[in-house]
This record gives sequence, structure tokens and C-alpha cells, in this order.
Amino acid sequence: AQSVTQLGSHVSVSEGALVLLRCNYSSSVPPYLFWYVQYPNQGLQLLLKYTTGATLVKGINGFEAEFKKSETSFHLTKPSAHMSDAAEYFCAVSPPGANSKLTFGKGITLSVRP
Amino acid sequence: NAGVTQTPKFRVLKTGQSMTLLCAQDMNHEYMYWYRQDPGMGLRLIHYSVGEGTTAKGEVPDGYNVSRLKKQNFLLGLESAAPSQTSVYFCASSLWRSTDTQYFGPGTRLTVL
Repeated sequence: AQSVTQLGSHVSVSEGALVLLRCNYSSSVPPYLFWYVQYPNQGLQLLLKYTTGATLVKGINGFEAEFKKSETSFHLTKPSAHMSDAAEYFCAVSPPGANSKLTFGKGITLSVRP
Repeated sequence: NAGVTQTPKFRVLKTGQSMTLLCAQDMNHEYMYWYRQDPGMGLRLIHYSVGEGTTAKGEVPDGYNVSRLKKQNFLLGLESAAPSQTSVYFCASSLWRSTDTQYFGPGTRLTVL
């Protein structure tokens, strides 16, 4: 079984500051890892995902995440926050395999201060 | 290309009433899912389908039923609504497998009084 831990429920940064959203996972096999974003009153959309290969993954809107097996982490970063980044961010994990299901974390709300 | 659409957007039910949520996708995806989102709990999978005519239970299936008679539609039914089913419900679809990008609908906000 797999699980995801997103510590804290809310992160606040100033516009232009570094964004760091933490995600740790537990999985018995090398997992697939995902970050989804939910803007207010919308459904989720994929930011980026790691399956195999390069451990540094680049996504949309300037976000990236690095898979660190030794730390069982997949933290999401963006060098410079923009007001439009304010949203809820979900980390998700899945074992590889056609019928594997995603397990979502509880989500972190990102606020961006002017 | 509408993507994933959900009907209705909002609904208020009384305890014991029934209703059906409709999800439609126009991307010819094989896999479809129903999730519920509750504050502080992330998304939890209710039921899913790996193709037309198939359904399977997810993490929290009790109190819900689903059907996928047509590839593009996935229906979620509540036979006897309970206040614990007050939630935001999201439908999603993916092309061939759960680990393909999942595309989400805008959600249905359901309140059970």
C-alpha cells in the first residue's frame, strides 16, 4: 500500500519569493509521483509527474519537482511566486501498473502576498 | 472539445432522497473515475471504470453506485442520501491507465440536509 504526506495545510509566500511545497511518500515499490493543482472553483489539473528516468521533472507554469528516493520525497518548487499561483496543490502517488490507483495527499493551500 | 463535464453543478438533497450525477467526456478515454473531496482529506476514490460496461470499487464506495453503459458517460448514484455524503464530487478520465494524466471536471457541490 502507498501513502502520501503533505505536512501543513497552508503556505504563504510573498510575490517573487521561492515556493517550496513538501511531499513525502510511502511505497513498497518504486512509485509514480504526481503534483496536481486546483485553482478556486475548478477541477484539478496535472502540473507534473515522475514515472521513470530523470529525477528532476519540469512542469507547467515554471514548477519543477525532484524525486529523491533516499528521502522518499517529491517536493514541488518554483523560483519566483506569482499571484496567479495561489491555489491548492495535491501530491499523489501510485505504484506502476496499468490498473494502479492514485492515492492523493490532503493538499496544501498556497497563498501569495503582494 | 469540452473535456470532462459534470451535471449538475450544485444540488441540495434531504436525507433519504436519491439522485444521479452525470459525467461526460469527449476525449475517447477508457478510464473514468469518481472522487469526493472533503476539507483536509484530499481526494478519495469512490468508484472507477476501466472501459465501457465495467465498474470497480475504490476507497470509499459505500452508499454509492455507478454505471458506464456508454464509453463517454459515467454515472454516480446515491440511492438514499445521508448528511455524511455532503461533499464536492469530481469526475475524471484518463486515456489508458490510472497513471496517465487524469482530466478532471469542474465538480458538483452536494449538500445533504
